Amino acid sequence: GAVVSQHPSRVICKSGTSVKIECRSLDFQATTMFWYRQFPKQSLMLMATSNEGSKATYEQGVEKDKFLINHASLTLSTLTVTSAHPEDSSFYICSAPSEWRNIQYFGAGTRLSVL
Amino acid sequence: AQSVTQLGSHVSVSEGALVLLRCNYSSSVPPYLFWYVQYPNQGLQLLLKYTSAATLVKGINGFEAEFKKSETSFHLTKPSAHMSDAAEYFCAVSVGGNTPLVFGKGTRLSVIA
Repeated sequence: GAVVSQHPSRVICKSGTSVKIECRSLDFQATTMFWYRQFPKQSLMLMATSNEGSKATYEQGVEKDKFLINHASLTLSTLTVTSAHPEDSSFYICSAPSEWRNIQYFGAGTRLSVL
Repeated sequence: AQSVTQLGSHVSVSEGALVLLRCNYSSSVPPYLFWYVQYPNQGLQLLLKYTSAATLVKGINGFEAEFKKSETSFHLTKPSAHMSDAAEYFCAVSVGGNTPLVFGKGTRLSVIA
């Protein structure tokens, strides 16, 4: 079964609204989680690293004020796309590394469509 | 820094034929290497991983990959393609632990009946 749960799987929203995406590790604690973005027919690009109890670190070119990340517990990270615009439409995927297994488990992804 | 190059954005094979998806990596430290499969509108499923143990790695669904340090390669193979193998395949590299993956651009595999 899935070890990382991501919700919602699909969101359609109007331009200017905010959307929150949740990523939960189900059977292990994740002090770190990663958020990736995938545009159609392209690869996954790391957006940010979510750190439990501290600020997220963002990749170059990713607006931290637009993509708010909160890692409030050892099993939950949230990504909020604030004031979404059509260009934010994409597939967002989170992952949580299981350090002792040297594996990253991925959520099922969230398809965001901004009208 | 790490990087991954997947040769061929699209590979087409006949059902029952050999599948070969190519992946070359660059890493300044010993790498951890992964192959993931993605079906349309779904997340990533781990096929197999190399983490410095055996160089020939067997994964799920009959796939395997061989780590060749001298060639900096980690090509994915399957002896006989099935229609259900049609999907997008991503090769990825990391340095292990709590570090993110760096993905290749992906290879779309089509299987022809």
